[in-house]
Amino acid sequence: GAGVSQSPSNKVTEKGKDVELRCDPISGHTALYWYRQSLGQGLEFLIYFQGNSAPDKSGLPSDRFSAERTGGSVSTLTIQRTQQEDSAVYLCASSFPGAAQPQHFGDGTRLSIL
Amino acid sequence: GQQVMQIPQYQHVQEGEDFTTYCNSSTTLSNIQWYKQRPGGHPVFLIQLVKSGEVKKQKRLTFQFGEAKKNSSLHITATQTTDVGTYFCAGIGGTSYGKLTFGQGTILTVHP
Repeated sequence: GAGVSQSPSNKVTEKGKDVELRCDPISGHTALYWYRQSLGQGLEFLIYFQGNSAPDKSGLPSDRFSAERTGGSVSTLTIQRTQQEDSAVYLCASSFPGAAQPQHFGDGTRLSIL
Repeated sequence: GQQVMQIPQYQHVQEGEDFTTYCNSSTTLSNIQWYKQRPGGHPVFLIQLVKSGEVKKQKRLTFQFGEAKKNSSLHITATQTTDVGTYFCAGIGGTSYGKLTFGQGTILTVHP
């Protein structure tokens, strides 16, 4: 079946512009996560959605970052007034509910801020 | 907050040598998961450990969960070039239900 789909795969934009990154999770997965990965680094947790519960936003680095999940499916991560330090690969993962479920990752969006 | 430390950061081995990466948490974990990320790819789930002292094997890979559930290791016997990639551990603690805390990863290079 289809895996986690992210778009765009690459995004180049100028500093100060807003960007929207999209994640389409695996059907039936109620948990959705956003991570950020800088070159050669680990995964930095950003935000976590679980069903209709309030999202865990504890990883968002600043108020320029926000995310929403519509209808319990597709999620959009928005970065306003982008800065060069926002350049990274943004990964989305989804899973069935529960702490013990494996996370399935998309291929990510590589964001480059000029 | 919960921290998961992973060592070494880098490991270069000759094909056929063994490799081990270690994961340590500042708090007791309920579960630990291991992922592999090939160069240019995304993390892929390998295995989950739940029980204290648990040992699981997948072919040449052996995974262990410490008795205190605060550390874990991944051992690869007789590495192959296909083992190249970054290996991440990720733990779930008592206060972070559903949210994995990832280690920084170990980048493995295998020289033929």
